[in-house]
Amino acid sequence: GNSVTQMEGPVTLSEEAFLTINCTYTATGYPSLFWYVQYPGEGLQLLLKATKADDKGSNKGFEATYRKETTSFHLEKGSVQVSDSAVYFCALRRPGSNYKLTFGKGTLLTVNP
Amino acid sequence: GAGVSQTPSNKVTEKGKYVELRCDPISGHTALYWYRQSLGQGPEFLIYFQGTGAADDSGLPNDRFFAVRPEGSVSTLKIQRTERGDSAVYLCASSRLAEETQYFGPGTRLLVL
Repeated sequence: GNSVTQMEGPVTLSEEAFLTINCTYTATGYPSLFWYVQYPGEGLQLLLKATKADDKGSNKGFEATYRKETTSFHLEKGSVQVSDSAVYFCALRRPGSNYKLTFGKGTLLTVNP
Repeated sequence: GAGVSQTPSNKVTEKGKYVELRCDPISGHTALYWYRQSLGQGPEFLIYFQGTGAADDSGLPNDRFFAVRPEGSVSTLKIQRTERGDSAVYLCASSRLAEETQYFGPGTRLLVL
């Protein structure tokens, strides 16, 4: 079946540090890949996405590249801010699956000033 | 414009009771999804509506769970004979077309005592 594995949290960084949150997936076919973010007290928001191999999604300084050979979609940011503190979810959507999302468990990121 | 709204934001009930959770999708969105998020986990798919019909209900855990969308807009998730294990955040998402980005509501936090 389809599954997403994210690195365990929590992750605690100082402001301006480099961020990587690892995400690997298992799926048949060619899924689309997503990163969603949940800020404290808010709903899930789409952060970025990639729909085919070697695509790079980017938004708000975050990037992730769809790597089919390693079945990965790691999230990176060069310099985090306190306002990036949130829970980050990696997700996939497999073609022909009625477009439902399969999520990882989430990674809590805390950025300290 | 308005996002996805869900009511109530919190619901506390007793074991064995019946509950209804409501989702108002973004106007014009034909696809609607329900997910359930247990503590420390990512959201898990429950059911998908395309218009008025449930196109995929494979994620409903058992026959105590049922959802409707009679006019192709508002949806209600119904849980009969609630159990403590049903305690979770129930999320609703909608998209203009199924293959497009899903927008999430803030969720209903259900606690079964």
